[in-house]
Amino acid sequence: GAVVSQHPSRVICKSGTSVKIECRSLDFQATTMFWYRQFPKQSLMLMATSNEGSKATYEQGVEKDKFLINHASLTLSTLTVTSAHPEDSSFYICSASSGGLSETQYFGPGTRLLVL
Amino acid sequence: KNQVEQSPQSLIILEGKNCTLQCNYTVSPFSNLRWYKQDTGRGPVSLTIMTFSENTKSNGRYTATLDADTKQSSLHITASQLSDSASYICVVTAWNSGNTPLVFGKGTRLSVIA
Repeated sequence: GAVVSQHPSRVICKSGTSVKIECRSLDFQATTMFWYRQFPKQSLMLMATSNEGSKATYEQGVEKDKFLINHASLTLSTLTVTSAHPEDSSFYICSASSGGLSETQYFGPGTRLLVL
Repeated sequence: KNQVEQSPQSLIILEGKNCTLQCNYTVSPFSNLRWYKQDTGRGPVSLTIMTFSENTKSNGRYTATLDADTKQSSLHITASQLSDSASYICVVTAWNSGNTPLVFGKGTRLSVIA
């Protein structure tokens, strides 16, 4: 199956700093990439959907100015958590799809963010 | 409201035993249903995908069933192994529903012990 990578796998940062997470589709062109957040023992919660070359669409309650998403190419999307706070500590997972919104999504391995 | 409910919430079984996980959904219109395995601290990995017309799908020791009439699915694991310990997530895709087509269950946490 298709491979999606994320970098870094885990990051610890001080409160107030910004953190960038990369999501790459390694062997296919991802028309659409998705960003999820998962808290312990909870299901994945969709944060935003991004299509290559256009602005991301954010889910209700997700601050677009805090979670900056860039999908500059068909193989790379980035999520930047700006001015991170301890409550932003979570597991961030991206997924990528080569087709429409209902096409198969391939998930990355996730990034564990801990904000001190 | 589109929802996916999974049961049990957690399960502990002995190595070598079989188990069945349940998934009930109210997603409409239905496109497909997937079962994912998520190891701790990792992203979900797809096990099976079934469309409306499919009743069963196997992937090695994993067998998924789908009853589109009752909107129920199950995942049966045969001859469990220690490496099967993970969360199993049922995900239902709604057809043509805009930006949020995937509806995730909360998962069943399976622990296989020796």
